[in-house]
Amino acid sequence: SQTIHQWPATLVQPVGSPLSLECTVEGTSNPNLYWYRQAAGRGLQLLFYSVGIGQISSEVPQNLSASRPQDRQFILSSKKLLLSDSGFYLCAWGLAFSYEQYFGPGTRLTVT
Amino acid sequence: SQQGEEDPQALSIQEGENATMNCSYKTSINNLQWYRQNSGRGLVHLILIRSNEREKHSGRLRVTLDTSKKSSSLLITASRAADTASYFCATSGNQFYFGTGTSLTVIP
Repeated sequence: SQTIHQWPATLVQPVGSPLSLECTVEGTSNPNLYWYRQAAGRGLQLLFYSVGIGQISSEVPQNLSASRPQDRQFILSSKKLLLSDSGFYLCAWGLAFSYEQYFGPGTRLTVT
Repeated sequence: SQQGEEDPQALSIQEGENATMNCSYKTSINNLQWYRQNSGRGLVHLILIRSNEREKHSGRLRVTLDTSKKSSSLLITASRAADTASYFCATSGNQFYFGTGTSLTVIP
């Protein structure tokens, strides 16, 4: 069966510090991968999606970047965090021709 | 924006009652999905309904879709305390958009 991992579960970082969140998927090949952010009391916002290694599409201009160095690995990064980057970050995977997406446990990021 | 909007934003019911949540969206879609999120946890996929379907059931869940009104409803029958969570609708056309969610509290 497929499994999606995200780490860390929680993270507190000072403003201006770098960020690296990692997501890995097991049990499937060539998945579509997604990064979402959920600000407090808000809905989910799609940040990035990837249909293959090295292929990243950005949905909103922001302080973040994403990379996909391996087929089942998706990394969310920032060089300098802002206070507004605080939120709950969710990684998700889906099959190329399926509309369903499956989410990881999430990372709660607090920028202080 | 194609983003779904859930109604009500918060709902509190007694255990055993039915809970109904609604979702509206703005543009044409391929399908609509409902997700549950327990506090501070990842999302769990509940049910998907395609644009050519009008109603779908899964256990205690019933989802309806009215593409003419661009709306969907999620009904949870015989609610349980464990159903307490936030429920999101997500629409999928060219892209994937989530609503702001309905916070459901089921009181034992």
